[in-house]
Amino acid sequence: LAKITQPISMDSYEGQEVNITCSHNNIATNDYITWYQQFPSQGPRFIIQGYKTKVTNEVASLFIPADRKSSTLSLPRVSLSDTAVYYCLVGHTGRRALTFGSGTRLQVQP
Amino acid sequence: DGGITQSPKYLFRKEGQNVTLSCEQNLNHDAMYWYRQDPGQGLRLIYYSQIVNDFQKGDIAEGYSVSREKKESFPLTVTSAQKNPTAFYLCASSIDLEGAAYGYTFGSGTRLTVV
Repeated sequence: LAKITQPISMDSYEGQEVNITCSHNNIATNDYITWYQQFPSQGPRFIIQGYKTKVTNEVASLFIPADRKSSTLSLPRVSLSDTAVYYCLVGHTGRRALTFGSGTRLQVQP
Repeated sequence: DGGITQSPKYLFRKEGQNVTLSCEQNLNHDAMYWYRQDPGQGLRLIYYSQIVNDFQKGDIAEGYSVSREKKESFPLTVTSAQKNPTAFYLCASSIDLEGAAYGYTFGSGTRLTVV
């Protein structure tokens, strides 16, 4: 299984861009990278997924370098409501189930 | 609206009691999962099921049991053998196990407290 490392916590201010980097040095060829967001006392919510290069949706962007050993979730112009825990997951189809790490706790200040 | 419903939202258990947490989905998903989350921690996999009448143990299955008699339902029983059951329990589903990498849908969770 890919070993995942991401910062335990980050602080930001409203309106700033936030970049959360995840390290996954032994990612397998057929692994995808997926990010989830979790608010207190709620289930995680799918944010974005990618395999290589850049993926963008209405919520975030995901940057994956050519070697795929890391990935960066980019949240543009964060607001207070973006305060949450963000999980980076690595897995592929056929894997039994996804493994969640401890995530990155993002605190957005006014 | 399609989604996953977990009930109850809060549950209190006395020492030595078994309790069952409900999880129902109307997404027509084949695969379902149970995770446990302790305060400030990530999610740990308890059990998962690829298809009706089939399920596999996850990383922390001891003291828990599940059944999958219907596609829509995947109840979790926390038995008296689980020594530290106080936690937040999350149920999830995906199109199938092959589609797990493409995203899970989670329920809103059940917070279990031993009293």
